[in-house]
Amino acid sequence: EAGVAQSPRYKIIEKRQSVAFWCNPISGHATLYWYQQILGQGPKLLIQFQNNGVVDDSQLPKDRFSAERLKGVDSTLKIQPAKLEDSAVYLCASSAQGASETQYFGPGTRLLVL
Amino acid sequence: SQQGEEDPQALSIQEGENATMNCSYKTSINNLQWYRQNSGRGLVHLILIRSNEREKHSGRLRVTLDTSKKSSSLLITASRAADTASYFCATVPGGGNKLVFGAGTILRVKS
Repeated sequence: EAGVAQSPRYKIIEKRQSVAFWCNPISGHATLYWYQQILGQGPKLLIQFQNNGVVDDSQLPKDRFSAERLKGVDSTLKIQPAKLEDSAVYLCASSAQGASETQYFGPGTRLLVL
Repeated sequence: SQQGEEDPQALSIQEGENATMNCSYKTSINNLQWYRQNSGRGLVHLILIRSNEREKHSGRLRVTLDTSKKSSSLLITASRAADTASYFCATVPGGGNKLVFGAGTILRVKS
């Protein structure tokens, strides 16, 4: 079974630029998550989709971050404009149903904002 | 807000020794999960223990859960250099619908 795919793996941008990350979850998984992990901390949920609807986006900085999950499969996370404090690893995960179940993580995208 | 807190923050042991990490949480839970993260990689699910379970085993891993103390422990027996990683506990706080991670324990196994 193929795992969660993410791209790119690394990205370096300057502040005020925009960037987009892509995630392809495990086939058949209804729930998709985007996490932000700052160095030395645990992952923090940014947004959670159930199929193509948003379940929780309470910690998503909506003035600069946006995410969509078209057709309930792939998802993109965008930052525009980026700030220095956005430097982090962005992790995508999926699960068959809800957040209480085992989540399967992709390798992450390491973002550096200069 | 942080639900789970791991202790210790860092642990260094010799290969073959046992490693114990603890997690405390604040609210009622349905289950508690442990994840491992190797340097520069995504998280890997290790074990899930439900609130009505007290102990669970998986290979060299043993997890205990004490809901009265709101705490859990992860024991890795006969550690190997490949166990070097960060270990996170995670819970869905009662009534909530999102997984909340602690800050993690960094384990270093020296060969």
